[in-house]
Amino acid sequence: ETGVTQTPRHLVMGMTNKKSLKCEQHLGHNAMYWYKQSAKKPLELMFVYNFKEQTENNSVPSRFSPECPNSSHLFLHLHTLQPEDSALYLCASSQDRAADTQYFGPGTRLTVL
Amino acid sequence: RKEVEQDPGPFNVPEGATVAFNCTYSNSASQSFFWYRQDCRKEPKLLMSVYSSGNEDGRFTAQLNRASQYISLLIRDSKLSDSATYLCVVMNTGFQKLVFGTGTRLLVSP
Repeated sequence: ETGVTQTPRHLVMGMTNKKSLKCEQHLGHNAMYWYKQSAKKPLELMFVYNFKEQTENNSVPSRFSPECPNSSHLFLHLHTLQPEDSALYLCASSQDRAADTQYFGPGTRLTVL
Repeated sequence: RKEVEQDPGPFNVPEGATVAFNCTYSNSASQSFFWYRQDCRKEPKLLMSVYSSGNEDGRFTAQLNRASQYISLLIRDSKLSDSATYLCVVMNTGFQKLVFGTGTRLLVSP
C-alpha cells in the first residue's frame, strides 16, 4: 500500500539473541529512517540515512546497529537487547532528507523476553 | 516541556458528531505541520499537511495559529471509520526532523 515493507512483522527474542529487522521501500526515495514507538510515548527517531549515508543517530544504544546497503534497503541489527526495548519499530522513507512527507512501513512488533 | 503536546483522549463521540483536537508546539521556529492518522497496531499515515492559511479536505479541516503555537484538526460528521489515533507532527526545518506528539485517540460509536 505505502510502498514500504518491513519484515518480520512480529518478533520475539531473548536477551542473548541476535536478530535483524529489514525494511525495503519501492518509492525511489533517497532517505530512510528507523523509529521506535513504545506504548503511550511519541515516535522516537533512532537513525536517519540519506543517500545511503547515516546522517543522524539519536543517542541510540549500541545494541541497535543500522545498515543501509543501498537507498532501497535498511536493516536494524539487534543484539543483547533488554526487555524495555520491546516496542513497535517503524521504518519510513522520504524523497530526501529535506522532504517533509514520510511514508511508513507497517512496523515490526518486537518483544524481548 | 514536550516539543509537541496533545491531549491523549480518548475522545468518545457518536457518529455524525463534530470533534476537534488541538496540539501545541514549543519551537517557534517550526515551519511545517502535519496530522497523521494511526490505526490500532498499524503504521502512521499522513492525513493532511497544515499550512499558514489552514486547509480543508472533505470533512477534515486543519488550522495553524502561529502566534499561539497551536494546530487544530476538526472532523465533521464523524464516521465509525474515523476511529483512530491522530498524531500531531511538527517539522523544524533547521534540523529537518519530524517531531511527533503522543497522539489523540478518537472513538466514534454508533
